[in-house]
Amino acid sequence: GESVGLHLPTLSVQEGDNSIINCAYSNSASDYFIWYKQESGKGPQFIIDIRSNMDKRQGQRVTVLLNKTVKHLSLQIAATQPGDSAVYFCAENMNDYKLSFGAGTTVTVRA
Amino acid sequence: KAGVTQTPRYLIKTRGQQVTLSCSPISGHRSVSWYQQTPGQGLQFLFEYFSETQRNKGNFPGRFSGRQFSNSRSEMNVSTLELGDSALYLCASGDGTSGYEQYFGPGTRLTVT
Repeated sequence: GESVGLHLPTLSVQEGDNSIINCAYSNSASDYFIWYKQESGKGPQFIIDIRSNMDKRQGQRVTVLLNKTVKHLSLQIAATQPGDSAVYFCAENMNDYKLSFGAGTTVTVRA
Repeated sequence: KAGVTQTPRYLIKTRGQQVTLSCSPISGHRSVSWYQQTPGQGLQFLFEYFSETQRNKGNFPGRFSGRQFSNSRSEMNVSTLELGDSALYLCASGDGTSGYEQYFGPGTRLTVT
């Protein structure tokens, strides 16, 4: 997990606002990235992925942006809800059948 | 489709003992990966199996081992347990192609006393 890191360990967001969670990676050979959400007492839940040949990918209320020039990944959550409170991890894959995880960002949604 | 299942969910062992954890992947998935999660080290890759073959291994001592069966179910074993082995052990499954989605199970919480 040393090559993947998140800029902020915690993020507090007002309910209804948009959240942006950032991740920096150091290995330019990484070609696949995943965002996971982990709630207390549960395993990581797949949110969205993106391949290195893409800059942006959208899902339901979530968007992942990839900037290969500065090796930066972000997850945007629209209209943040209380159920979005969790720890968010970015993970990278270098075509070697393993994922390397960042340290995680704890998102707290304020009512 | 049922998700990834792991058994047991909780386990308490004593130093020096050995433990075996089990993982059943999502139906149709042939790849199973194991990760260790601790507050200090985060999520660390242990190993990955595909069609009963280990394709990659993380930087863990030889006390950590695994295997995969012909039905894709996997087990991991930790021998001579140490206090530092206390962790959440997570299993993830995928279809096994390069750069693929991996889905995690709920994990096995191992406590070593």
